[in-house]
Amino acid sequence: AQKVTQAQTEISVVEKEDVTLDCVYETRDTTYYLFWYKQPPSGELVFLIRRNSFDEQNEISGRYSWNFQKSTSSFNFTITASQVVDSAVYFCALSNPWANSKLTFGKGITLSVRP
Amino acid sequence: DGGITQSPKYLFRKEGQNVTLSCEQNLNHDAMYWYRQDPGQGLRLIYYSQIVNDFQKGDIAEGYSVSREKKESFPLTVTSAQKNPTAFYLCASSATQGAPLQETQYFGPGTRLLVL
Repeated sequence: AQKVTQAQTEISVVEKEDVTLDCVYETRDTTYYLFWYKQPPSGELVFLIRRNSFDEQNEISGRYSWNFQKSTSSFNFTITASQVVDSAVYFCALSNPWANSKLTFGKGITLSVRP
Repeated sequence: DGGITQSPKYLFRKEGQNVTLSCEQNLNHDAMYWYRQDPGQGLRLIYYSQIVNDFQKGDIAEGYSVSREKKESFPLTVTSAQKNPTAFYLCASSATQGAPLQETQYFGPGTRLLVL
């Protein structure tokens, strides 16, 4: 069975601080995909990144960066110089591409960025 | 603009009533999905469909039904058998090209269902 654990439930930071959101996953599959989604107060889930299990290269996109480590089954997300607009719920998800791309979600992390 | 639309934004259900949530996409995606989100919880899969006229149950299908008569549309009916329907419902779609399936799911804005 697949499982995604986001142990942090709520994080509060002051604007311009760096913040890391943790994600730990469990799967028996050798081929899988990991995702991060952002859910702002409006409710719609916004896709941020997809990473496949064979690509452990870290990725940076502007203020966002992702650290994928298969050895620890983790896919952590760092926001550098946080802004108020980063306030949202962030979900990590795992998919098994051989099982109809079903997504298994973590419970989400509520990030509050204070001015 | 290409995207996924869901209507209505808010829906109220009376006891014993069936209600239908609409989901339409113009992304030419083959696969469509319905998720349920409860406060403080992740999303849970209700039903999914990879081609027209075919769909499969997800993890929490009891009390729900779907149809897929057109590629663009995947309506979800919450039946009276669903005893705790109050939740936020999200529809998603993805392309299904190649194997293993590796397409990203994109989400609509959601419908919030409340029981009167």
